[in-house]
Amino acid sequence: EAGVAQSPRYKIIEKRQSVAFWCNPISGHATLYWYQQILGQGPKLLIQFQNNGVVDDSQLPKDRFSAERLKGVDSTLKIQPAKLEDSAVYLCASSSLGSGFTSGNTIYFGEGSWLTVV
Amino acid sequence: DAKTTQPPSMDCAEGRAANLPCNHSTISGNEYVYWYRQIHSQGPQYIIHGLKNNETNEMASLIITEDRKSSTLILPHATLRDTAVYYCIVRKKGNAGKSTFGDGTTLTVKP
Repeated sequence: EAGVAQSPRYKIIEKRQSVAFWCNPISGHATLYWYQQILGQGPKLLIQFQNNGVVDDSQLPKDRFSAERLKGVDSTLKIQPAKLEDSAVYLCASSSLGSGFTSGNTIYFGEGSWLTVV
Repeated sequence: DAKTTQPPSMDCAEGRAANLPCNHSTISGNEYVYWYRQIHSQGPQYIIHGLKNNETNEMASLIITEDRKSSTLILPHATLRDTAVYYCIVRKKGNAGKSTFGDGTTLTVKP
């Protein structure tokens, strides 16, 4: 089974520029997550989709960050304009809607997209 | 979702058991305990989860106290490749709950 795919793996941009990250979740997974992980800290949830609807975006800085999942599969996360403090790893993850205890609910992560804002 | 508390770092000798504790004193009845680990430069990797019974899989064992206020992840024979940051999180069944990660425990396995 293929895992969560993310691109680009690394990106360096200047402050005030824009950047977009792409994610392809595990096939059949209805729920998709974007996390931000600053060096030395645990991942922080930015936004959670169920199919193509937003479940939780309470920690997404909406003045500069946006995310979409138009067809309920792939997703993009955009930052515009970027600030120095946006330097972090952006992790995409997905999970299924399994109803049993041993099925679904487990979140699977991609390798992350490393962003450096200079 | 309930908050968890973990020690920031631990050391373990190679070949020995690594016991990683986690406190989740405000856990509610419908919240599961999940453990993930993150090896440098990789995304977090699922290890194991449980509700109230102890669980074991090919990677680790999970011991949950009877009152469910704390748990311990056990790596029975730690290897150098187990050096990673280990995260304990609590999460409701299904996808309704937010999965809040703390800063985890950095486990260093030494030869």
